[in-house]
Amino acid sequence: DIQMTQSPSSLSASVGDRVTITCRASQNINNYLNWYQQKPGKAPKVLIYAASSLQSGVPSRFSGSGSGTDFTLTISSLQPEDFATYYCQQSYSAFRSFGGGTKVEIK
Amino acid sequence: QLQLQESGPGLVTPSETLSLTCTVSGDSIRSGRSYWGWIRQPPGKGLEWIGSIYYSGVTYYNPSLKSRVTISMDTSKNHFSLEVTSVTAADAAVYYCARDPPGTTGTTHDYYNMDVWGKGTTVTVSS
Repeated sequence: DIQMTQSPSSLSASVGDRVTITCRASQNINNYLNWYQQKPGKAPKVLIYAASSLQSGVPSRFSGSGSGTDFTLTISSLQPEDFATYYCQQSYSAFRSFGGGTKVEIK
Repeated sequence: QLQLQESGPGLVTPSETLSLTCTVSGDSIRSGRSYWGWIRQPPGKGLEWIGSIYYSGVTYYNPSLKSRVTISMDTSKNHFSLEVTSVTAADAAVYYCARDPPGTTGTTHDYYNMDVWGKGTTVTVSS
């Protein structure tokens, strides 16, 4: 099975900051990588699919990059509504797996 | 508009079987080459993929749970179900169901992502 490792597990940032979250896969997954945002008490919502494609309706301040085993989610200018937990997930294998999550908190 | 709704007992006795159903409206679970998945989230922890059932009925399970998990589908009722046997306190979580459909075509296979989720149902394990 494919293990997904995210870092950091949490971070503190201010509105307007540029934020970067990384995700590493235990094997080559090409670009079969999705990013989700989850707010407290809510189901996750997909932000990025295929490593760098923006899901319809998602603000352009979110972007994704990477291929192979190393991936990045970037928020170019953090907004108040972006304080949440972010997860990566691989869809290379039918045996799906998620990263451990990165909680973005207000500094 | 596609909607998924989890249902089932909110309280399960230790060593018993947890059974949940995800009812799908607005799409057929036999169409579109989608996977239909179960994901759980223990209190204060991250997301854990439990398993999925492909539109054809083929199932895939998290290796760490495989011996205790069964996912099935009932096309006549347009729903899919989850059973977890021999539950312990570690199985207490919010359980989500999600659609995992194919999108654009990739280099080796289609890109999938979990685009629609249920609201989640909380399961407590206690005697």
